[in-house]
Amino acid sequence: DVKVTQSSRYLVKRTGEKVFLECVQDMDHENMFWYRQDPGLGLRLIYFSYDVKMKEKGDIPEGYSVSREKKERFSLILESASTNQTSMYLCASSLKGGLAGSSYNEQFFGPGTRLTVL
Amino acid sequence: QKEVEQNSGPLSVPEGAIASLNCTYSDRGSQSFFWYRQYSGKSPELIMSIYSNGDKEDGRFTAQLNKASQYVSLLIRDSQPSDSATYLCAVNDYKLSFGAGTTVTVRA
Repeated sequence: DVKVTQSSRYLVKRTGEKVFLECVQDMDHENMFWYRQDPGLGLRLIYFSYDVKMKEKGDIPEGYSVSREKKERFSLILESASTNQTSMYLCASSLKGGLAGSSYNEQFFGPGTRLTVL
Repeated sequence: QKEVEQNSGPLSVPEGAIASLNCTYSDRGSQSFFWYRQYSGKSPELIMSIYSNGDKEDGRFTAQLNKASQYVSLLIRDSQPSDSATYLCAVNDYKLSFGAGTTVTVRA
């Protein structure tokens, strides 16, 4: 079974703090993703990575950065946390993409980190 | 127009009935379609994937895809209280676009 883990289930930080959210997958997946999920807005893609040291912006990258130094690990960084970044953060992984119409595009999610910024 | 739209819900169905969930998408080139189930406070869990036009059945779940109409649906037969959750439609390849979800409540 695919296993995606995230460093914390719940996190409380103060405005202006630098926040690190870590995600690790154990299935040798090439692609990794960071989403945030807010009521009424659904899942929104922040950043994704298709290889080590590679990253691409998603739909809402402002205020975030990412790091992927190892294949199994993808970190989301909030450089200076703000209250509007209070949200549920979800990490996901999938096999190498680009194969249209195949199970390679199935994404598997971690348990999520509920971040509160005070 | 949103890339992926789902019937807004919430959807309430009696136990044993069929729950019908609908999803439309805007990218005509999409080739991969997924349904995720998300229980309250939990992360999304993949329950169905479909890549070709027609129906795909897995237990009590049936996914239906019509690429010409840019429409994908999920039927839950013999609905159980354990099916009460939010169902997310996801479309596209490697970089998925998600709908906002439809919350289903199965009443005993």
